[in-house]
Amino acid sequence: EDQVTQSPEALRLQEGESSSLNCSYTVSGLRGLFWYRQDPGKGPEFLFTLYSAGEEKEKERLKATLTKKESFLHITAPKPEDSATYLCAVSTYGSSNTGKLIFGQGTTLQVKP
Amino acid sequence: DGGITQSPKYLFRKEGQNVTLSCEQNLNHDAMYWYRQDPGQGLRLIYYSQIVNDFQKGDIAEGYSVSREKKESFPLTVTSAQKNPTAFYLCASSKAPWDTIYFGEGSWLTVV
Repeated sequence: EDQVTQSPEALRLQEGESSSLNCSYTVSGLRGLFWYRQDPGKGPEFLFTLYSAGEEKEKERLKATLTKKESFLHITAPKPEDSATYLCAVSTYGSSNTGKLIFGQGTTLQVKP
Repeated sequence: DGGITQSPKYLFRKEGQNVTLSCEQNLNHDAMYWYRQDPGQGLRLIYYSQIVNDFQKGDIAEGYSVSREKKESFPLTVTSAQKNPTAFYLCASSKAPWDTIYFGEGSWLTVV
């Protein structure tokens, strides 16, 4: 069964304290891995798509990387406004014709000033 | 601005009532989706549509119905058959099923 697991469930950082969020996946044929940011009471906001092992993408203080078994979202020198829930999702070749994404449960990040 | 608009933001349903959540997009996307989000659980797919006048059941379609009469619109009806409808509902769209999926702001449904 296709599965996506995110860790940790919750992460508290001091402003400027860099860290990484993990997304491990067990799927039959990865087509793409997606990272979203979700603020409380709002819809997920798209951040990155990764398609192949070794691929990296960056946006401001965020950097996403992909291996054959997991993805990391690195947060460098975070600010309080980076506080949110970060969602990881995968699309597989088996489901790519449907557009179905398999989501992890998310990591809730809190950055204290 | 292009985007996905969901309405209403908050909706209350009485027992035995059907309610309809609206979703409109002006991104010219062909594919549209409805996901449900519950606390402590990942998003789960309710229904999806790849093209006008066609839609398919997702993983948790029981108690829900949809229509896709226009490319821009994909309303979701939560019927009285849905036993646990209280949740956060998210509409999404993509240019094609394998492209990046973008989400609306969500609708909260509460049973009273």
